Amino acid sequence: GAVVSQHPSRVICKSGTSVKIECRSLDFQATTMFWYRQFPKQSLMLMATSNEGSKATYEQGVEKDKFLINHASLTLSTLTVTSAHPEDSSFYICSVGGGGDTQYFGPGTRLTVL
Amino acid sequence: DQQVKQNSPSLSVQEGRISILNCDYTNSMFDYFLWYKKYPAEGPTFLISISSIKDKNEDGRFTVFLNKSAKHLSLHIVPSQPGDSAVYFCAASAHTSGTYKYIFGTGTRLKVLA
Repeated sequence: GAVVSQHPSRVICKSGTSVKIECRSLDFQATTMFWYRQFPKQSLMLMATSNEGSKATYEQGVEKDKFLINHASLTLSTLTVTSAHPEDSSFYICSVGGGGDTQYFGPGTRLTVL
Repeated sequence: DQQVKQNSPSLSVQEGRISILNCDYTNSMFDYFLWYKKYPAEGPTFLISISSIKDKNEDGRFTVFLNKSAKHLSLHIVPSQPGDSAVYFCAASAHTSGTYKYIFGTGTRLKVLA
């Protein structure tokens, strides 16, 4: 399957700062990448679909001005959490899709906002 | 509205026996169903999937059964091994706006006892 990396693996920041998370598809050219968030002991929730060369599609309830997504190439998508607050602390995971029956996930990024 | 449900938050099974993880869904338009295994602070690892037009798919120790009339699927692991201990998520995918979107259940924590 596709190999997906994320950087950083964990980040701690102060409230009010912005944090950028990178998602790279190492061996798969991804026109579409997905960003998920998982709170402790909860399910993975799709935040947005990242489209190469165009605007991301956000799920209902996700603030697009707070979670900025850029998909500038077929191998890189970035998620920037702007003006982060403690309630944004979560595990953020990206994935690339091979079709309806396959999706490959990155290792995730643990964000802690103090 | 939880479209994909895993009603058992946890399951304990003796090593060598069968593990059966269950998942229910409400949307009859899902095209594929998938099972993922997840360890803490890591991204999900794809295990097995099944198309909505099939009722069984097998891959080694893993078999997924789909009962469309009951909107129910299950993952069977035989024989269970201690290394199978993890959280298992079922997911369903549907083709929406030109791409496949995935909806995840809340997960079942499997513990295989040696």
